[in-house]
Amino acid sequence: SQQGEEDPQALSIQEGENATMNCSYKTSINNLQWYRQNSGRGLVHLILIRSNEREKHSGRLRVTLDTSKKSSSLLITASRAADTASYFCATVLNYGQNFVFGPGTRLSVLP
Amino acid sequence: EAGVAQSPRYKIIEKRQSVAFWCNPISGHATLYWYQQILGQGPKLLIQFQNNGVVDDSQLPKDRFSAERLKGVDSTLKIQPAKLEDSAVYLCASSPLSGRANNEQFFGPGTRLTVL
Repeated sequence: SQQGEEDPQALSIQEGENATMNCSYKTSINNLQWYRQNSGRGLVHLILIRSNEREKHSGRLRVTLDTSKKSSSLLITASRAADTASYFCATVLNYGQNFVFGPGTRLSVLP
Repeated sequence: EAGVAQSPRYKIIEKRQSVAFWCNPISGHATLYWYQQILGQGPKLLIQFQNNGVVDDSQLPKDRFSAERLKGVDSTLKIQPAKLEDSAVYLCASSPLSGRANNEQFFGPGTRLTVL
């Protein structure tokens, strides 16, 4: 079974609204990473949060990590049509190995 | 900096045929990954190399899939013979070093395989 599970599977919002995606996992991790995938393209790394961190920011992105609940959230503020993509969380279990991706959240931002 | 290159971008074959994919990682990146991404799902790791050695191939269907990374640079992934369920996008990724968990992966554009 998947180590990481994103929720919701699909999300549709209006431009300017905030988008929140969640990721739950099952075992202890070293870090958790979020990636974006535009249709027909490879994945692009967005942000990494280590197991001893609780929150990180990068531009319009905010990631939180709750290791007690084994969950993470990705918040995209003031969304744009260009944010339309699939978003995946990847959990890293050991030293650079065991990258496990979840099934992803498909985000649609309507102009 | 040049990204991860993959070829071909698209391939259509009939079942039981063979197919090979090529990946050229970012220069200097020690670790190379091959993923299979079925439509609507997240990428599934098939094999991970560090330099020219295999680190993890536990999810590689070894009866039909093989991969090599000669000289620790380019890599090829082969399917022989292909089945209908192999239809997917095959993604190659690289990262600077294994053994350091805070490594991001850099992905190529993928090869979309259709098996008829």
